[in-house]
Amino acid sequence: AQSVTQLGSHVSVSEGALVLLRCNYSSSVPPYLFWYVQYPNQGLQLLLKYTTGATLVKGINGFEAEFKKSETSFHLTKPSAHMSDAAEYFCAVSDEGGTSYGKLTFGQGTILTVHP
Amino acid sequence: SQTIHQWPATLVQPVGSPLSLECTVEGTSNPNLYWYRQAAGRGLQLLFYSVGIGQISSEVPQNLSASRPQDRQFILSSKKLLLSDSGFYLCAWNTGTGSYEKLFFGSGTQLSVL
Repeated sequence: AQSVTQLGSHVSVSEGALVLLRCNYSSSVPPYLFWYVQYPNQGLQLLLKYTTGATLVKGINGFEAEFKKSETSFHLTKPSAHMSDAAEYFCAVSDEGGTSYGKLTFGQGTILTVHP
Repeated sequence: SQTIHQWPATLVQPVGSPLSLECTVEGTSNPNLYWYRQAAGRGLQLLFYSVGIGQISSEVPQNLSASRPQDRQFILSSKKLLLSDSGFYLCAWNTGTGSYEKLFFGSGTQLSVL
């Protein structure tokens, strides 16, 4: 069984500061890993995903995440926070193999607040 | 372009009342459809998924059911709501069979059972 743990349900940063949202996962098979973002009153949108290959993945809006197998982590970062980054962020994991459709296991979410 | 519609956005229902949440997808055919729920303080949990008309798979035992009467329509129902059914419900779709396939989410329904 897979699981995802997001450390910190709320993260607050100053505008221009580094954003770091932590995600650890457990999976019995090589995972596919995702970060989704939910802006207020909107559905979730895919930020980035890791499937195979390069472990540093770049996504939209300047976000990136690095897959570290030894640490079972997939932390999300952005060098400089912008006010528009305020949202809830979800880390998710899926089995590799192509047989489990879109059955993602999500973390509990991290609300990012950006203050001036 | 593809769009996903989910309604209503918010719903307040008494315990024991029925429920029907509807989700429709436009601009694609034969999508995989999903219902997720986020309970307060918890991650998104997959409730049901469907790979075709009339084909429903349930991930967790619960008080809810799902139906897919048409290719691009997915309905979440309950005959009698429980307090524990409160939460944020999200419909999603994708195509293909790969678990790496990007999911597209609706805007969600906030259900409060009182």
